[in-house]
Amino acid sequence: KAGVTQTPRYLIKTRGQQVTLSCSPISGHRSVSWYQQTPGQGLQFLFEYFSETQRNKGNFPGRFSGRQFSNSRSEMNVSTLELGDSALYLCASSLALDSLTEAFFGQGTRLTVV
Amino acid sequence: KQEVTQIPAALSVPEGENLVLNCSFTDSAIYNLQWFRQDPGKGLTSLLLIQSSQREQTSGRLNASLDKSSGRSTLYIAASQPGDSATYLCAVVVIQGAQKLVFGQGTRLTINP
Repeated sequence: KAGVTQTPRYLIKTRGQQVTLSCSPISGHRSVSWYQQTPGQGLQFLFEYFSETQRNKGNFPGRFSGRQFSNSRSEMNVSTLELGDSALYLCASSLALDSLTEAFFGQGTRLTVV
Repeated sequence: KQEVTQIPAALSVPEGENLVLNCSFTDSAIYNLQWFRQDPGKGLTSLLLIQSSQREQTSGRLNASLDKSSGRSTLYIAASQPGDSATYLCAVVVIQGAQKLVFGQGTRLTINP
């Protein structure tokens, strides 16, 4: 069974540009969450989608947005990139984020903003 | 606000030793606790999931325990091997508010041959 797939694996962007990251969850999983990982802040929650609806959002500026499609694939968009957005962006999928389900992560997208 | 703390931040032991990694959380109202492993520059690999009604879970050489009342979990690794070298992260899913994983900062483990 295929795992969580994130594309691309690496990205280099210039300040002010925008970027879109993609996440394909495990087949049958309807919950997709996004996390930002930096050396200073660790893993921080961005948002969670379930059945195309954003259920939860972390404490990030509006430049960070996302969506989920009917096949549960999700995209995350960051506009007007800043140097501080450089991070490893991780996507997690689960059947549903509650007591019974295990979260599985992709390999991440390494975003570098120059 | 849920806070997760992992101690120690780094640990270096010789191969073959049994070791314990600690995780504590401030709010006992959790759905579950999950332990992950992360190799440098890679994603997270799920090791064990303990639901709030459970006390422990085992997988191979790994055993994780959960004590909700004291807000603590431990990950026990038996007969450590160099391949166990990685960063180990624990995360809880809180009941109140946003359903999300709240992570500790991790323990960087090095197993010396």
